[in-house]
Amino acid sequence: EVKLVESGGGLVQPGRSLKLSCAASGFSFNDYWMGWVRQAPGKGLEWIGEINQDSSTINYTPSLKDKFTISRDNAQNTLYLQMSKLGSEDTAIYYCARSSIIPFDYWGQGVMVTVSS
Amino acid sequence: DIQMTQSPSSMSASLGDTVTITCLASQDIGNYLSWYQQKPGKSPKLMIYGATNLEDGVPSRFSGSRSGSDYSLTINSLGYDDEGIYHCHQYYEYPFTFGSGTKLEIK
Repeated sequence: EVKLVESGGGLVQPGRSLKLSCAASGFSFNDYWMGWVRQAPGKGLEWIGEINQDSSTINYTPSLKDKFTISRDNAQNTLYLQMSKLGSEDTAIYYCARSSIIPFDYWGQGVMVTVSS
Repeated sequence: DIQMTQSPSSMSASLGDTVTITCLASQDIGNYLSWYQQKPGKSPKLMIYGATNLEDGVPSRFSGSRSGSDYSLTINSLGYDDEGIYHCHQYYEYPFTFGSGTKLEIK
């Protein structure tokens, strides 16, 4: 069974950094692109970016490219999202998702990040 | 960036009805369009990919179509389980983008 489990969320002060993790199981992690999507409270989905199998290609939405960094550790079957200079606008549920020629076919349950003083 | 204009933003329909949700792409995206269903407090679930392909396990009451830059999700014989928010998503060109979502309520 494909399983994606995000962790690392919580309350963080404005201007600080936070690193999210996504633990994958039930499939061959290093065969798939992986991505991050977020959803602010009561809002739609926002594509953050995705990373290819060997980390040689990483794409971001332009507005987040200087703040967020996507990485992965294939040995640990884990995807990461390093977030810096966080502001209230980054308050959201963050989802990791698996991707191939079929986009985002499996999603994690999401992790909440709240940016507040 | 490619803009996906989704309509309506919300709708209400009765059991057994047929509904259609539409996304208009601001430029050509071919068939690189998917639809997701999201229930309250849950993560999105892939329903349709490649504009018209039904994901495994999704009821055949769901269908996707394309007419030029207009993409539609049609749900036949509505049931209570179809209530939720539906999102379209283009994966033709980076940065990938989503529509603003359609909230479907079953009366």
